[in-house]
Amino acid sequence: NAGVMQNPRHLVRRRGQEARLRCSPMKGHSHVYWYRQLPEEGLKFMVYLQKENIIDESGMPKERFSAEFPKEGPSILRIQQVVRGDSAAYFCASSYRDRGPGNTIYFGEGSWLTVV
Amino acid sequence: AQSVSQHNHHVILSEAASLELGCNYSYGGTVNLFWYVQYPGQHLQLLLKYFSGDPLVKGIKGFEAEFIKSKFSFNLRKPSVQWSDTAEYFCAVSDRGSTLGRLYFGRGTQLTVWP
Repeated sequence: NAGVMQNPRHLVRRRGQEARLRCSPMKGHSHVYWYRQLPEEGLKFMVYLQKENIIDESGMPKERFSAEFPKEGPSILRIQQVVRGDSAAYFCASSYRDRGPGNTIYFGEGSWLTVV
Repeated sequence: AQSVSQHNHHVILSEAASLELGCNYSYGGTVNLFWYVQYPGQHLQLLLKYFSGDPLVKGIKGFEAEFIKSKFSFNLRKPSVQWSDTAEYFCAVSDRGSTLGRLYFGRGTQLTVWP
């Protein structure tokens, strides 16, 4: 029973490089969410996607960050021209439906980005 | 915007001690409430959730939480902790009318249980 799979688990980038984080949702899940956890802070919502659609990107920084969830393949969180402040843990979650008490979102193990 | 406060950043207990982790939120509307646990090196796991009904919610591994609407609180409890409960605990809130995955998290409480 594969859960939400994220890779890479750890990524080191130099300032100015690009970072790509991948997330494969649980089987049958079509709703994907990305969260960021900065040091000493709780998880902060970034973006909610369904297949080929961005539904809510209210938590995404306005520049350098983008996300997609193509028809085929994993969801990608892309950070261009990384800066030290982007160093954080990035968590992906998925769900079968997007609301209702019988539904739950499931988290991946996170991708730790370090910018040097 | 909603905010979630977890009162204790780090709690240290001996095995068999009782646990209560505080969580308060600020939001005037109807909310769903959650507690998640993250064991070292693992993903966040749902401990319990409250959507409606009985405000005393029982979760996995002997945890429970009580929703007190008048206090905007959703404190997590366990009568007797074990060493294996050492983990980080996150309280989260969502707007009842919003999508399930639009959660507001507290900053987390690190629980260390000494054997």
